[in-house]
Amino acid sequence: KNQVEQSPQSLIILEGKNCTLQCNYTVSPFSNLRWYKQDTGRGPVSLTIMTFSENTKSNGRYTATLDADTKQSSLHITASQLSDSASYICVVSSRGSTLGRLYFGRGTQLTVWP
Amino acid sequence: DTEVTQTPKHLVMGMTNKKSLKCEQHMGHRAMYWYKQKAKKPPELMFVYSYEKLSINESVPSRFSPECPNSSLLNLHLHALQPEDSALYLCASSHPKEDTQYFGPGTRLTVL
Repeated sequence: KNQVEQSPQSLIILEGKNCTLQCNYTVSPFSNLRWYKQDTGRGPVSLTIMTFSENTKSNGRYTATLDADTKQSSLHITASQLSDSASYICVVSSRGSTLGRLYFGRGTQLTVWP
Repeated sequence: DTEVTQTPKHLVMGMTNKKSLKCEQHMGHRAMYWYKQKAKKPPELMFVYSYEKLSINESVPSRFSPECPNSSLLNLHLHALQPEDSALYLCASSHPKEDTQYFGPGTRLTVL
């Protein structure tokens, strides 16, 4: 069964601290993995996209890693800011899947306190 | 233009009302999607249009009626909704040969 699991479910950190979010997936065959940031009541915004051959990708203070062998990904946020408070969703696309078939994790709700 | 726009941002309707949600993109994408998202849950795929033709209907109740009048526009017509249909409705678009989906800001729907 194609599934995407994220941990932790929620996380509270102080402003300026770093944090790492985890994503495990069983989607097969694998095409790519994205991390999205979703503010409450808003649409998801893509942070990074990684294909099978990529191990790490950065976007400013966000760094995503991918281990295709263990089917694990992480999103590391450096020097957190109050505006980083949001839900972070791991989304996996399956190669050869029909149009629109993305597999969503339930998200990690990150809260950054001043 | 790399934006998907949705109107209205908020909508409150009664169970007997008829309303429509609108989505627009000018990125030349030929695939467009409707998702429903309940609080603290991931988005759930409802419909997919590819080249203005409905290609996926995830067994959505007929009180939701999608329409794709042209390659830039996607509508979702609502009629006789139930309170449990209250949710954030997201539109997304993508190039048919790529699966990166660009999401709009969503319409927050409340059914009374």
